[in-house]
Amino acid sequence: NAGVTQTPKFQVLKTGQSMTLQCAQDMNHEYMSWYRQDPGMGLRLIHYSVGAGITDQGEVPNGYNVSRSTTEDFPLRLLSAAPSQTSVYFCASSRTTNTGELFFGEGSRLTVL
Amino acid sequence: ELKVEQNPLFLSMQEGKNYTIYCNYSTTSDRLYWYRQDPGKSLESLFVLLSNGAVKQEGRLMASLDTKARLSTLHITAAVHDLSATYFCAVDMWSGGGADGLTFGKGTHLIIQP
Repeated sequence: NAGVTQTPKFQVLKTGQSMTLQCAQDMNHEYMSWYRQDPGMGLRLIHYSVGAGITDQGEVPNGYNVSRSTTEDFPLRLLSAAPSQTSVYFCASSRTTNTGELFFGEGSRLTVL
Repeated sequence: ELKVEQNPLFLSMQEGKNYTIYCNYSTTSDRLYWYRQDPGKSLESLFVLLSNGAVKQEGRLMASLDTKARLSTLHITAAVHDLSATYFCAVDMWSGGGADGLTFGKGTHLIIQP
């Protein structure tokens, strides 16, 4: 039981490039979400999903895209990377909708030059 | 907009001492969570508080929730070095009419010195 798995762990992009952060969970959780963590800012919700085929925006969705084609996977796409998107990204899942206790992946550290 | 404020944001204390971290939030919610994060690591769930008056304890840590005061506390008893970490409180946005997710405080960076 791997829990929540994120790849890659580290990535460097140039401004304007696109990429996808992968997130997979093997706990059969309906709820999945993406947060970004910036120094001194806590974590902020980017997008979330309450089940396959359903996604919605969080606090800071601009510049990011998500899809949820299966219960297990919830990829986060950066459409045209900007330096302001330099951050640590965490994927998290929960066994219940309406958030509930979150289980976090190990994080993906992204640097945009 | 839900706001979550923690204080202090930085705390240096000696082993064996007691201290309390405070978490205030701005709108109605009866679900609050505490997480621990070690440097460069992920977040680990510590406590889930789901009702007014809830109290949870694990080892030297005890968390409580007062929904009327919109306040949660994380109390550290007889601190040991292994408790050095950053502690976050987080409040459910959904029950206050927001997105289905958590609003996090900025975190309390705790250093416990011998």
